[in-house]
Amino acid sequence: AQSVTQPDIHITVSEGASLELRCNYSYGATPYLFWYVQSPGQGLQLLLKYFSGDTLVQGIKGFEAEFKRSQSSFNLRKPSVHWSDAAEYFCAVGPSVSWGKLVFGAGTILRVKS
Amino acid sequence: KAGVTQTPRYLIKTRGQQVTLSCSPISGHRSVSWYQQTPGQGLQFLFEYFSETQRNKGNFPGRFSGRQFSNSRSEMNVSTLELGDSALYLCASSPDKETQYFGPGTRLLVL
Repeated sequence: AQSVTQPDIHITVSEGASLELRCNYSYGATPYLFWYVQSPGQGLQLLLKYFSGDTLVQGIKGFEAEFKRSQSSFNLRKPSVHWSDAAEYFCAVGPSVSWGKLVFGAGTILRVKS
Repeated sequence: KAGVTQTPRYLIKTRGQQVTLSCSPISGHRSVSWYQQTPGQGLQFLFEYFSETQRNKGNFPGRFSGRQFSNSRSEMNVSTLELGDSALYLCASSPDKETQYFGPGTRLLVL
């Protein structure tokens, strides 16, 4: 069965510090991987995606993620966190043969302290 | 381009009623998916429509239904509402088989 695990429910980092949000997936076929961000009361905004090729992908707002097939991981990173990054982050996996049906992790709430 | 729009943004209903939510995809996007987001279950896939046909369906009861019109706009309907249907309902549109763009959601409260 497809599943996504985000082990950290909450993470608190200081402004200017680096950030890594963890994501592990279980998927039978070649997955499409995504990171989305959700601010309170808002929808989901796509940060970045991985389909194939270079395993280090760059996204918006200075985020990047690295796909590691051997570890079934797709961790999100940012070298220097800004207070505006405080939000909930979702990792998702989707099938390469179907357009819909994303499976999401439970989310990680990021708090930024000044 | 305008983003995905969802109406209404907020809705209050009582148990037993039915509700219809609307989603207008980004211009040119032909695939529309619906998700339910609750604190307990997280984000769960409801169904996906492409060219007016339901192509994928999640594990929800038959009270949840949807449709897509020829202009790609989509509606979802929930009949005989239950308290547990209170959630944020998110619509996403896609131009291809890879990326879904989400709307702001409709927050439904069932009393």
